Amino acid sequence: DAGVIQSPRHEVTEMGQEVTLRCKPISGHDYLFWYRQTMMRGLELLIYFNNNVPIDDSGMPEDRFSAKMPNASFSTLKIQPSEPRDSAVYFCASSFLLAGRTDTQYFGPGTRLTVL
Amino acid sequence: AQSVTQPDIHITVSEGASLELRCNYSYGATPYLFWYVQSPGQGLQLLLKYFSGDTLVQGIKGFEAEFKRSQSSFNLRKPSVHWSDAAEYFCAVGSNFGNEKLTFGTGTRLTIIP
Repeated sequence: DAGVIQSPRHEVTEMGQEVTLRCKPISGHDYLFWYRQTMMRGLELLIYFNNNVPIDDSGMPEDRFSAKMPNASFSTLKIQPSEPRDSAVYFCASSFLLAGRTDTQYFGPGTRLTVL
Repeated sequence: AQSVTQPDIHITVSEGASLELRCNYSYGATPYLFWYVQSPGQGLQLLLKYFSGDTLVQGIKGFEAEFKRSQSSFNLRKPSVHWSDAAEYFCAVGSNFGNEKLTFGTGTRLTIIP
C-alpha cells in the first residue's frame, strides 16, 4: 500500500484566500484524522471521522475550518478565509479497527501551509 | 483526561552512545502507549506500541520501551544510536476505550554528534 497520501505537500497563499488540503487514507482503514502541528502548540487533533462520519470536531479552531469525507478514500480540510496564524503543517492519519478498537494511526507526509 | 509529559525538549548524544528518552503519562486506567518518530519534513512513523502483556516492548530500528505502571512512565531506549536516529520523538497515550483520540507529548528533539 502507498500509505496515507496528502496533497499538496506545500501550499503558499495570501491571507483571505481559500485553502483546500486533501487526503487519501490507507485502503480499508475505518478512521481518518486531521492534525495540525505548530512550534507553539505542538500536534493538535482537529477532527476525526469514522466510516466517513465526523465523530469529534472539537479541535477545529474556528468556523473558518471545515472538513469533509465524501467517501472512504478521500477527505478534505478547508480553510476559508485563511489567515497568517493558520500557517502550520497539517497531517492526515488513518487507522483501523482491531479486536473492536482502533489500532495504530498511520500518518501522511503532511502539507506545509504558509499564509502570507 | 489523559496527558503526556516529555520533560526533555532537546537531547544531544554521541554516535554509538546509549539513549533514553523519557515519557510520563497521566491516565486513570491502563493506557495504550506509543512512540512515534518524525524526521525533518516527514510525517510521524510508529516506532513501537504497548497495549498489554510484556512491559518491555521491542520496536523498529533497534528501539525498545518499558512500561512502568508504578512510575507512570514509558521511556524509550536504544543501546547504540546512529546518526540517522537524529529526529523528533513523540510519546502518545490512548484510552482503553479506543485510540481515537491520541494525546501527544510535546516531543524530544534528538541531535547526534560524531
